[in-house]
Amino acid sequence: LAKTTQPISMDSYEGQEVNITCSHNNIATNDYITWYQQFPSQGPRFIIQGYKTKVTNEVASLFIPADRKSSTLSLPRVSLSDTAVYYCLVGDGSGATNKLIFGTGTLLAVQP
Amino acid sequence: DTEVTQTPKHLVMGMTNKKSLKCEQHMGHRAMYWYKQKAKKPPELMFVYSYEKLSINESVPSRFSPECPNSSLLNLHLHALQPEDSALYLCASSQGGPPPNSPLHFGNGTRLTVT
Repeated sequence: LAKTTQPISMDSYEGQEVNITCSHNNIATNDYITWYQQFPSQGPRFIIQGYKTKVTNEVASLFIPADRKSSTLSLPRVSLSDTAVYYCLVGDGSGATNKLIFGTGTLLAVQP
Repeated sequence: DTEVTQTPKHLVMGMTNKKSLKCEQHMGHRAMYWYKQKAKKPPELMFVYSYEKLSINESVPSRFSPECPNSSLLNLHLHALQPEDSALYLCASSQGGPPPNSPLHFGNGTRLTVT
């Protein structure tokens, strides 16, 4: 089963919009796509979840194309405190319930 | 603070010791997970319990033994570990049941060092 891949790192400045992509070519029909934020020595924290098209909440948007083989997390105006590792989480492609696998992770560094 | 509590926060153990990691949630979730995370790597799935039954074992060595005494508690029993087992062990829970996959709620982990 193919890995779920993300860019290793991204740099941004405060106030900019940041878009982080995740490639999940083997996503199963019943899988949702979830994004998490992780700070050092803490557990991942839920950001947003979606199945198709676009989802928006108070902190982020999630864009999912029709083929669902990728997704993009959009953080509208980042601040220094958004410096963290961001992971997408999807099923492993087998369709097994709860077999949820993390992407490779993207380290976002926000500078003043 | 998280809604999933893991104890202890840190653990140092020798290769001949037996220890246990504990995880507790009171959100009424029916699925609970163990993940292992090495430095600068994503968390790796180890075990999943669904409705207190082991549903997924990702070919984890038998020196790791999970236990789910009730719907709120999850343990990971450790015996005869190797230094390469040193990692952050994360517990998570979710509502469980069929998709949609409800979001996972994570604890802050137990930092395990095997000497």
